[in-house]
Amino acid sequence: KAGVTQTPRYLIKTRGQQVTLSCSPISGHRSVSWYQQTPGQGLQFLFEYFSETQRNKGNFPGRFSGRQFSNSRSEMNVSTLELGDSALYLCASSPRFGVPTYGYTFGSGTRLTVV
Amino acid sequence: TQLLEQSPQFLSIQEGENLTVYCNSSSVFSSLQWYRQEPGEGPVLLVTVVTGGEVKKLKRLTFQFGDARKDSSLHITAAQPGDTGLYLCAGTNFGNEKLTFGTGTRLTIIP
Repeated sequence: KAGVTQTPRYLIKTRGQQVTLSCSPISGHRSVSWYQQTPGQGLQFLFEYFSETQRNKGNFPGRFSGRQFSNSRSEMNVSTLELGDSALYLCASSPRFGVPTYGYTFGSGTRLTVV
Repeated sequence: TQLLEQSPQFLSIQEGENLTVYCNSSSVFSSLQWYRQEPGEGPVLLVTVVTGGEVKKLKRLTFQFGDARKDSSLHITAAQPGDTGLYLCAGTNFGNEKLTFGTGTRLTIIP
């Protein structure tokens, strides 16, 4: 079956702009999480959605937001981009929320560069 | 904030050698997962352990969850070049199942 699909794979934006990233989970998976990965901070949790509702949120400023659609696809948005937002943004899906034994399947990520 | 410290941060060994990677925290986790990530890709789940003292084997990889559920280890026997990658542990908290990732161990196996 198809894995987690993230688009676009690469993105270059200018400071102050906004960006929207997309994630299509594995068919049947209803939980979608977003992570930011940087060399200095590693993998940091952004937020998790289940049944179109945000269930968990990490410690990121309000410039970072997300949403989930009825088909479980998710988008995350970053407004007023800063140089420090340059990172690999990873999406992960899971069949259910709150059942860690299922594990998470990650996409290949979107590499965002802010110049 | 719960932190997961991994050691060593970098490890480079010859093919055929054995190695152990550690994941330590002062906090208790409801479960712990290990992932491997290759350049340009997302992490791939290797194993999930949920019971204190649990040991799981995946071919040449052995994973152990500490009795107190605060630490874990990954042991690789007879390492192969295909084992090269970034190894990440990640824990979940009771009642709040978001993943907290460790600092990572970058493993290089030299042929």
